[in-house]
Formats: sequence, structure tokens, C-alpha cells
Amino acid sequence: DTAVSQTPKYLVTQMGNDKSIKCEQNLGHDTMYWYKQDSKKFLKIMFSYNNKELIINETVPNRFSPKSPDKAHLNLHINSLELGDSAVYFCASSQEEAGEIKNEQFFGPGTRLTVL
Amino acid sequence: DQQVKQNSPSLSVQEGRISILNCDYTNSMFDYFLWYKKYPAEGPTFLISISSIKDKNEDGRFTVFLNKSAKHLSLHIVPSQPGDSAVYFCAARGYYGGSQGNLIFGKGTKLSVKP
Repeated sequence: DTAVSQTPKYLVTQMGNDKSIKCEQNLGHDTMYWYKQDSKKFLKIMFSYNNKELIINETVPNRFSPKSPDKAHLNLHINSLELGDSAVYFCASSQEEAGEIKNEQFFGPGTRLTVL
Repeated sequence: DQQVKQNSPSLSVQEGRISILNCDYTNSMFDYFLWYKKYPAEGPTFLISISSIKDKNEDGRFTVFLNKSAKHLSLHIVPSQPGDSAVYFCAARGYYGGSQGNLIFGKGTKLSVKP
């Protein structure tokens, strides 16, 4: 039973298109994240979101927007895709306890996005 | 600006021997450190962590050592097994926008354990 799932696993698209990546967690966690792993293999936080606030990494272009229809989902929407958006995108979740986010994050399997 | 550095991109070890993976960080405000393990085509999975108030944490074959004065931590795997072959990411808890909990990752070290 997958804890954090992402769809699709692979996404190939043309420059300029708009696409979405879905993420679902069945762990009952309060906080979800999106990370980008670029060609240099760095895993970088893009967003963290709980039911109170969205924290955005200031380096993320505003073409990227997370949308949370409910506590178990945090989808990533990308507008006007560019070549440099090609990367692996990971969703993750963690649980907030006593006002403090637990350190351990559970990751999804990743979505490899290729922009042609 | 790499706040978490893993300077060895790869490490090869014989089965049964010790694997030592190293990590350096620059931000003295980091207060929690984690190691994640990643197999190909999968997401990272949590392995072990250590708070900045400790210098050692052990969990079975895995031990993490923290040297705060040197801003250095290491992961020891003893004995190493072929199934340990994976990419190991060091991560530190950082702050964005005044909110804690966001992790800053190193580039990873690919460990190969040969039978």
C-alpha cells in the first residue's frame, strides 16, 4: 500500500505547454512538499504546504503553482513549460506534532519531466 | 550556494567491510541532520537522523556521527551488504520564510557494495 504516490511517473511534453503532476499521501500527514532534482542531482525544496500556509522557495518561478484540493493531495501545476524545467519532481509529506514539523519526510517515487 | 556538501560522488566497498559516507555543512543554524537512501527510480527513504545536541546516533548497522565544531557528519554502515548499494543523501533542516521543517539536501554519494 503506497504511502506517497505520484502520477504520472514519466511526462514528456513540448515547450510552452501547461502540465500537472498529481501527488497523494495516505499517511494522514499535515504537511506536503514538492522537490525538484535537477541534472546536477541536487534535491531542492520548491514548496511546503500545510492547512495553514504555503511556503514558497523564492527561487521557484511563478509558472509553478501547488494546488491542494484536500489534505491528502498536493498537485503541482506548471505553466508555459521551458526546457530548463526538465527534471525529476518528488512529492513528500510529513507530520506536524505539537506545532513542530517532524523531521522525517516520506517521499513519492518521483515524476521524470522531459520538456522538448 | 551549497549549504550541504557531499564531496564524494561515489564510494565502492567490499561486502562485510565498513562504509563511511561523509557530509559537510556550512550553516551553523542547522539543528537536525538526516540521511536518506535512494534506489534508482524510487523516492528517497529515511534512514537515520541526529539532533545537533547529540554527537552520535545508532540504529542497527547504521551509525551517524556529528562533529559540530567541524560542521561535519558521517554515516557508518557496518557490516556493509550488497543491498546497501544506493545513493545516500545527507540533509539538514533549514528555514525558509521563517518556517522550520524544510530540508536542504546534499548532492548524494553513490555507494556500491561488492559481494
